[in-house]
Amino acid sequence: DAGVTQSPTHLIKTRGQQVTLRCSPKSGHDTVSWYQQALGQGPQFIFQYYEEEERQRGNFPDRFSGHQFPNYSSELNVNALLLGDSALYLCASSLPGGYTEAFFGQGTRLTVV
Amino acid sequence: GENVEQHPSTLSVQEGDSAVIKCTYSDSASNYFPWYKQELGKRPQLIIDIRSNVGEKKDQRIAVTLNKTAKHFSLHITETQPEDSAVYFCAASNQAGANNLFFGTGTRLTVIP
Repeated sequence: DAGVTQSPTHLIKTRGQQVTLRCSPKSGHDTVSWYQQALGQGPQFIFQYYEEEERQRGNFPDRFSGHQFPNYSSELNVNALLLGDSALYLCASSLPGGYTEAFFGQGTRLTVV
Repeated sequence: GENVEQHPSTLSVQEGDSAVIKCTYSDSASNYFPWYKQELGKRPQLIIDIRSNVGEKKDQRIAVTLNKTAKHFSLHITETQPEDSAVYFCAASNQAGANNLFFGTGTRLTVIP
């Protein structure tokens, strides 16, 4: 089992551009959440996807959007990039039901210049 | 929304000593409290978690305590070893699904050999 995989590992974008990050969940996991981790900070919850729908959302603007596919993989899209969007973006997957461990991927390091 | 505060931000201990990290949360509906360890350049990994119906949980050298009335929970590491050196994050989840985590700002633990 490869665990949670994310691509790409690193990315450099220019302010104003758009970016798409990808996540494949751990085998058997159907819930995917995205987190933003700025340097020296804890991960911040962006949103959660389950059954191909956004179920919960943290305090992030509409520039952040996502998608979940029938195979449970997910994408995070960020439009109109700002310098402040530079961060490590983490994807975490979990099993159905409550109180289950969230397994994190290695993340995508996004740098906006 | 949920607000999790964590302290101290840095902690240095001698090998073999104990380390304690404390967190408080604001949302009385939070019912799941995991702790993650993140080594430099690596993904956060779950080390222990506790549910709101339990006051204390122990796993070898690691223990977590929860005081729901005071809305605080703590991580205790005994007999610290150099490999315990990392950044530790507490988190809280306010719904049944555990993959909508609100993290503290992290504690950088250094174990001095």
